[in-house]
Amino acid sequence: GEDVEQSLFLSVREGDSSVINCTYTDSSSTYLYWYKQEPGAGLQLLTYIFSNMDMKQDQRLTVLLNKKDKHLSLRIADTQTGDSAIYFCAEKEGFQKLVFGTGTRLLVSP
Amino acid sequence: EAGVAQSPRYKIIEKRQSVAFWCNPISGHATLYWYQQILGQGPKLLIQFQNNGVVDDSQLPKDRFSAERLKGVDSTLKIQPAKLEDSAVYLCASSLGQTDTQYFGPGTRLTVL
Repeated sequence: GEDVEQSLFLSVREGDSSVINCTYTDSSSTYLYWYKQEPGAGLQLLTYIFSNMDMKQDQRLTVLLNKKDKHLSLRIADTQTGDSAIYFCAEKEGFQKLVFGTGTRLLVSP
Repeated sequence: EAGVAQSPRYKIIEKRQSVAFWCNPISGHATLYWYQQILGQGPKLLIQFQNNGVVDDSQLPKDRFSAERLKGVDSTLKIQPAKLEDSAVYLCASSLGQTDTQYFGPGTRLTVL
């Protein structure tokens, strides 16, 4: 199957770190992406990681990849109320289509 | 650099009516995608174009959905006739090539009554 799995919901307080998890399916996936979707908006690319990397850091965002377990995580440091949104992980291998997870709704409370 | 443009942003129609969506990709992007996003789910690819040719339309319900990209730039997606289950957000995305990062437009929210 093509099920990319994510937990449905995460709630944190402003200033805390958020960790959003994803389990993907295709061990040959070349790229793994994180997209953010705010209400009524399209998908905004946050970051991506090559499959030959274990970690990528971009300002407040840290992506960790465990290829053995096909597990991807997104850590948001110092989470702000503006980070409240739905976060999608997605996998892609070469010319194959981009396959999205079900999305994790992040709620940041003041 | 301008992003992916889509119109309209919202559309409400009755079942069995027809509807069309328009997408203008990022300049220079050869690959264009249409996705359907049902409420509470991740986007699902409907059709992928490389320039003006179709690369993948395996998940497009061809009895009612059609899409074209005649000049290899803009694209239209049509539904005729619409069903209640077509209510969703239709997202257009583009990329430089088929293996490159995809950038998404704001989407068109379709409600079928």
